[in-house]
Amino acid sequence: GEDVEQSLFLSVREGDSSVINCTYTDSSSTYLYWYKQEPGAGLQLLTYIFSNMDMKQDQRLTVLLNKKDKHLSLRIADTQTGDSAIYFCAEPASGTYKYIFGTGTRLKVLA
Amino acid sequence: DGGITQSPKYLFRKEGQNVTLSCEQNLNHDAMYWYRQDPGQGLRLIYYSQIVNDFQKGDIAEGYSVSREKKESFPLTVTSAQKNPTAFYLCASSIAGTGVGETQYFGPGTRLLVL
Repeated sequence: GEDVEQSLFLSVREGDSSVINCTYTDSSSTYLYWYKQEPGAGLQLLTYIFSNMDMKQDQRLTVLLNKKDKHLSLRIADTQTGDSAIYFCAEPASGTYKYIFGTGTRLKVLA
Repeated sequence: DGGITQSPKYLFRKEGQNVTLSCEQNLNHDAMYWYRQDPGQGLRLIYYSQIVNDFQKGDIAEGYSVSREKKESFPLTVTSAQKNPTAFYLCASSIAGTGVGETQYFGPGTRLLVL
């Protein structure tokens, strides 16, 4: 199927690390993306990882890719209240112009 | 500054009325997309345009129509045939629409509400 799966909610305390998980479907996906959506706003590209990489680090963000299990994760270090948002993973659907988005994980950061 | 603009931010539709959502980009991107977002769901693709004067149906095109007369503009009309139009509508663009390693850039969205 074409479902990209994410858990719906995650709650963490300010200063802790957050880990948002995603299971994707297409093993031939060349790039995998993480987007952030703040309340009432559009999606903002956070980071992406190329499929031949296992890990990518960008300041507080770490993306881990397990191609064997088709599992993607986003770790946010030292989570701040401004990180509260919905996080979407996405992959391009093979052979088409379409992008498949996960259902989104709502991250709530408690002060 | 380059980017994507959507207007209006909020739109109210009366029953039986067609409404049009605007999407403009000055990124010089060839491809543009319309998505619908409902609470607790991911984004669902309504229509897609890879180039001017060409567009294709996405997964939930029924009750919607689009046009692509200019590269920078991709308006979406929600027709009276769309029986459940209340949602958040997002427009996006990408450089070429090839789906390989392309990043999609999103507008701020339009929230459509039915009176």
